Amino acid sequence: SQELEQSPQSLIVQEGKNLTINCTSSKTLYGLYWYKQKYGEGLIFLMMLQKGGEEKSHEKITAKLDEKKQQSSLHITASQPSHAGIYLCGADPTGANSKLTFGKGITLSVRP
Amino acid sequence: KAGVTQTPRYLIKTRGQQVTLSCSPISGHRSVSWYQQTPGQGLQFLFEYFSETQRNKGNFPGRFSGRQFSNSRSEMNVSTLELGDSALYLCASSWGLNTEAFFGQGTRLTVV
Repeated sequence: SQELEQSPQSLIVQEGKNLTINCTSSKTLYGLYWYKQKYGEGLIFLMMLQKGGEEKSHEKITAKLDEKKQQSSLHITASQPSHAGIYLCGADPTGANSKLTFGKGITLSVRP
Repeated sequence: KAGVTQTPRYLIKTRGQQVTLSCSPISGHRSVSWYQQTPGQGLQFLFEYFSETQRNKGNFPGRFSGRQFSNSRSEMNVSTLELGDSALYLCASSWGLNTEAFFGQGTRLTVV
C-alpha cells in the first residue's frame, strides 16, 4: 500500500519568513493533493497536482510535483499567522480518485 | 455554491449504541468518500460511493457501513459502538475521476 511521509513533522517560523514542507511517496504518484486543517475542523483544499513537473500557486502558496522523486513540496512565501495549521498531503494510489491516502501532517506555527 | 455539509457536528454516544452520520455533497458532485481521523492513526479511508454504488472500501470492520442516495447525499452508520470509534469523521465530495476533492467540517463522535 502507498505511504506518504511528510517532513518536517512540525515547524515554527517567524512571521514574514519563507518555508518549504515536503511530502514523499513510497509509490508512483498519480495525483497529489494538499490540504490545510485547523485542529478539529475539516480540511481546506489548497491544490491538486497531477503531472510530473506541475507547479501551481495560490496567493502566497506554491506547490510542485516531482514525479521522478515521487515527491511534492509546498512553499509559503512571507508567512503570516493565518498560514498556521496542519498541512496534509494526500495521494491517489490508483489514479481513480476514489481513495486517498494521507500523510500524518505537518503542524505549522507562525510567530508574530 | 454551498460546500460539503456534514450533520451533526458533534455527537456523544454510549458503547454498544449505533450512530448515523450524514453528508451532503457539493451540488453536482457524484462521488462521496468517508474518512476517519484520530490522533494515533491519522486520516484513514473508510469507503467511497459513486452514483449510489460503493466503489472502494478501506480496512474497517463490518460495523462500519454506508450508503448513497439518488441525490448523492450519503450516510454512514456505525453499529455496536466501541470506545475506539471516537474520532472526527470527515466526508469529501468530488465531481468524478481525477478531480478536486472537497471536505466537510466533519462530525466529532465521542463514545463513552
